Amino acid sequence: EEQLVESGGGLVKPGGSLRLSCAASGFTFINAWMSWVRQSPVKGLEWVARIKSKGAGGTTEYAAPVKGRFTISRDDSENTLYLQMNSLKTEDTAVYYCVAEYYGSYLYWGQGTLVIVSS
Amino acid sequence: EMVMTQSPATLSVSPGERATLSCRASQSVGSNLAWYQQKPGQAPRLLIYGASTRATGIPARFSGSGSGTEFTLTISSLQSEDFAVYFCHQYNNWPLFGPGTKVDI
Repeated sequence: EEQLVESGGGLVKPGGSLRLSCAASGFTFINAWMSWVRQSPVKGLEWVARIKSKGAGGTTEYAAPVKGRFTISRDDSENTLYLQMNSLKTEDTAVYYCVAEYYGSYLYWGQGTLVIVSS
Repeated sequence: EMVMTQSPATLSVSPGERATLSCRASQSVGSNLAWYQQKPGQAPRLLIYGASTRATGIPARFSGSGSGTEFTLTISSLQSEDFAVYFCHQYNNWPLFGPGTKVDI
C-alpha cells in the first residue's frame, strides 16, 4: 500500500526555521516527482514546491511566495522527501502535505503536518 | 495571472440526486485538470485527472468533462459518503487549485 508520512511540523516564531520530512513507502520513490502542497483556511490549497526524479534531472521549482526561503530536497536511498523552511512568516501557517505526482496530478497524499508561525 | 474559480460554493443535494460541479480557468489549461475530494480531517483524494480519466478505484458515478477553460465534475447518483468538498486543480502551468465546492445535504 502506498503511504506518505509527514513529520516535523510545530509552532515556530516568525523568522524561525523548520524542516519537514516525508517518508514514502509502497511505490517506487526514486522515479516519483514529488511536491509539497499546503492548505490554510485563508488561502485554501496552495502548491509550494516540486522536485523531479533524478532521472528527469532532479530539478526543483518553487511557488513565488516561498522562493528563496524554502528548499525542497530528496534522499532516494532513504525514500524521504524534505522541505527546509527558513525566514518563516505568519502567512506560512498551514497544514503541509507531501504528495506524489502522476502526470501532473497529485495521486498520493500524506496525512499532513501542521505548521503554526506565531509569536 | 491564472485564476481558478469553482461554482457553486455550496451545493445542497439529496442522496440519489445528480450533482454537477463547475470549474473555470482564466486561461486555457488544455486537459491538464484534476478533481479531488476532501472530507473533514482528511487529505484530498484524487478522483479525476486529465479532465476525464478516473483514478484507480474511483466509482463510475464520478465523471469529468471539459477542456480549455470550462470543466465539469458530475456525480451521477450521490451516496452518503460523497458529501465532501471538491477541488479542481490545473497543472498546465504553475499548479493552481480552485477554492472548492462543498456538497452537503
